[in-house]
Amino acid sequence: QSVLTQPPSTSGAPGQRVTISCSGSGSNIGRNHVNWYQQVPGAAPKLLMYNNDQRPSGVPARYSGSKSGTSASLAISGLQSEDEADYYCAAWDDSLSSWLFGGGSKLTVL
Amino acid sequence: EVQVVESGGDLVQPGGSLRLSCAASGFVFSNVWMHWVRQAPGKGLEWVAAIKKDGTEKQYLHYLKDRITISRDNVRNSLYLEMNGLRAEDSAIYYCARGSPLGQDWGQGTLVTVSS
Repeated sequence: QSVLTQPPSTSGAPGQRVTISCSGSGSNIGRNHVNWYQQVPGAAPKLLMYNNDQRPSGVPARYSGSKSGTSASLAISGLQSEDEADYYCAAWDDSLSSWLFGGGSKLTVL
Repeated sequence: EVQVVESGGDLVQPGGSLRLSCAASGFVFSNVWMHWVRQAPGKGLEWVAAIKKDGTEKQYLHYLKDRITISRDNVRNSLYLEMNGLRAEDSAIYYCARGSPLGQDWGQGTLVTVSS
């Protein structure tokens, strides 16, 4: 069981907005930045968001990130079929001196 | 173009050892932290280890630290992961990832299977 908790699945219709949550603790999200990754089945992960709300070059503005306290969220607006993938949050944990990943959330576009 | 290419994955018996390699190009290798991240079949991502730009600082997933060693060669632009005492639960795709931020770029992974 992951220390960073994500919902196993979420879904939305094309054009809708969905959010994926990531819940941690004071030793990880509470003190450090959160990154988000997208993984399409059969492919390597891709960095989607870093430092809570920063989008790497090439990532559409439809993706946004936020953090509050010991939780973080990834929002995807204007949902498209190509957004169907697994999404992971990650943060450094000061107590474990390790990077932690959430268990992943599978997004289905209806 | 940034490229990271992993190699060295194999079928190995329980208790065996393996050395994974990652060849990097398209960026100044000696300027970045590098990571290993693994993914067991059908499971999520798990960070394994990281190494500082000059190799002077290494970080390990706490329950693996006695069995793995991360290293790098900044002349050959290569990253390595040595694994000993391999167990069935170590079976996974092992990804090499450029940081920081962690995973700025990823390779396609190399498959390690631990089975008799």
